[in-house]
Amino acid sequence: AQSVTQLGSHVSVSEGALVLLRCNYSSSVPPYLFWYVQYPNQGLQLLLKYTSAATLVKGINGFEAEFKKSETSFHLTKPSAHMSDAAEYFCAVSGASGSRLTFGEGTQLTVNP
Amino acid sequence: EPEVTQTPSHQVTQMGQEVILRCVPISNHLYFYWYRQILGQKVEFLVSFYNNEISEKSEIFDDQFSVERPDGSNFTLKIRSTKLEDSAMYFCASSPDSNYGYTFGSGTRLTVV
Repeated sequence: AQSVTQLGSHVSVSEGALVLLRCNYSSSVPPYLFWYVQYPNQGLQLLLKYTSAATLVKGINGFEAEFKKSETSFHLTKPSAHMSDAAEYFCAVSGASGSRLTFGEGTQLTVNP
Repeated sequence: EPEVTQTPSHQVTQMGQEVILRCVPISNHLYFYWYRQILGQKVEFLVSFYNNEISEKSEIFDDQFSVERPDGSNFTLKIRSTKLEDSAMYFCASSPDSNYGYTFGSGTRLTVV
């Protein structure tokens, strides 16, 4: 079974500041890990994914995440926040390719001018 | 960029009525999914579909739910007798293979009254 915990349901940063959204996972098998973003009234857009290749994964819009097995973490970062980054971010885990995604609770990111 | 299209964007139905949610996955994709998100809660897996049959389903996906790919392009979710607790945003997703992140549609907001 897999599960995901996202620490912090709301994160607020200033424009230009570092964005750090935390995700810890639990999986009985080597995990596949994903970050999705949801803008208001829109679907879930894939930001990046980890599928057992490089542990540092680069995604769209300047985001990246690092898979740390020892910490069971997959935190999402962006060096400099932009106003357009304001959205809800979901971490998700899958136990095998093609199988169900288990989502975290989501983190609402607010970017202040 | 190819999209997963869901219709309608919002549907209101009376309790006990049947409802069909429609999705057009990306044309060369082979794996299809339905997820739902009850307001204020996590995104939850419902069902996955491959090679014209259900490959995995969750505990939520009981006998009231069914899926179909009737014509090679549409992928539908039917709820036979809706309950108030079926009110949620329903997301369709598709994937070209089992190693790829999904592409999600924008969702159908179902309101059962």
